[in-house]
Amino acid sequence: NAGVMQNPRHLVRRRGQEARLRCSPMKGHSHVYWYRQLPEEGLKFMVYLQKENIIDESGMPKERFSAEFPKEGPSILRIQQVVRGDSAAYFCASSLVGSYNEQFFGPGTRLTVL
Amino acid sequence: GQQLNQSPQSMFIQEGEDVSMNCTSSSIFNTWLWYKQEPGEGPVLLIALYKAGELTSNGRLTAQFGITRKDSFLNISASIPSDVGIYFCAGHPSGGSYIPTFGRGTSLIVHP
Repeated sequence: NAGVMQNPRHLVRRRGQEARLRCSPMKGHSHVYWYRQLPEEGLKFMVYLQKENIIDESGMPKERFSAEFPKEGPSILRIQQVVRGDSAAYFCASSLVGSYNEQFFGPGTRLTVL
Repeated sequence: GQQLNQSPQSMFIQEGEDVSMNCTSSSIFNTWLWYKQEPGEGPVLLIALYKAGELTSNGRLTAQFGITRKDSFLNISASIPSDVGIYFCAGHPSGGSYIPTFGRGTSLIVHP
């Protein structure tokens, strides 16, 4: 299966812990996007990355959230000191260079903060 | 930021019926996209539209890019139970934004 992979699919954390969400893009895709979805809401853009480069992080909270897409390995969305309001589904999408119109989504990580 | 108004919010229909949903914006969009999301999964791209007036089909699904460039429509003909899910419109505003704006979704339930 050459689709976008995300893991874990479900993640439970206690307040104050760290959450690490991983995303492996489709084969051949070098652009990754992270989105957040609250229940009964659409997807909200967080950050757009290329390998080793953050292109746009305008949708990401300034504190506690960070993202990276290293030269080797998956993209990581990291949430430090999680709070209950961070509970949501986090989706990763990938695209080919110059094909941002057609983003392919992974199955998501459902984060629950207790 | 950009707002997309998607309607209806939910639909309950009988198998075999046709379905129509739409998405409107207060500003011009260069691209319209329609996604379907099933429970516990990520959105899957159904149809992408790139030109005003464009009408594109994907099986029983047909979508149109409105002439004003401020709206789009998705029709599903002869619905079947596996059409159940949430349908999202998304678009790229004019000005070259590479980040799509998403509507809040239309939840479709099909009764057999």
